[in-house]
Amino acid sequence: AQSVTQPDIHITVSEGASLELRCNYSYGATPYLFWYVQSPGQGLQLLLKYFSGDTLVQGIKGFEAEFKRSQSSFNLRKPSVHWSDAAEYFCAVAPGSNYQLIWGAGTKLIIKP
Amino acid sequence: GAGVSQSPSNKVTEKGKDVELRCDPISGHTALYWYRQRLGQGLEFLIYFQGNSAPDKSGLPSDRFSAERTGESVSTLTIQRTQQEDSAVYLCASSLTLADEQFFGPGTRLTVL
Repeated sequence: AQSVTQPDIHITVSEGASLELRCNYSYGATPYLFWYVQSPGQGLQLLLKYFSGDTLVQGIKGFEAEFKRSQSSFNLRKPSVHWSDAAEYFCAVAPGSNYQLIWGAGTKLIIKP
Repeated sequence: GAGVSQSPSNKVTEKGKDVELRCDPISGHTALYWYRQRLGQGLEFLIYFQGNSAPDKSGLPSDRFSAERTGESVSTLTIQRTQQEDSAVYLCASSLTLADEQFFGPGTRLTVL
């Protein structure tokens, strides 16, 4: 069965430090890949997506993600986090042309001052 | 323009009662999705509507759950004979087409006592 794994439930980083959130998926072919952010009291917002082409994708708020086919991964990165980045981050995949998104359980990002 | 709106924002009900949750998508969006998010978990797909096509109901957990959408407008998710395990945040999203970014509403927090 298709699945998405975000192995880190919580991650704590200091403000200004770099960030990497992990996402692995299980699917035979290359799915469409997404990262969403859910800030406290706000709805889910799309950070970035990968459909095809360049495996390094740029998103909003200074985030980027790299698709690695050999590792079935789509990790999210940011070179320097800000306190406003504290939120929950979700990785999601849509297998092929079926846009029914399959979601990871989320990673809660905590920022230390 | 207006985003996706959902009502009510919170609903507390007694076990065994029926509830109706409402979603107003972004005007012009042909696709509409319902998800369930249990505490500490990722989103669970319930159902999607695409234009006048038959909805994809493959994610509905039981026959107590149903959803309707009239044309490309409002959708209602109905849960009959609610159970405590139905307690969750129910999220609605809409997109221009199935291939486009999903925009999420703020959700309805359902608590079944």
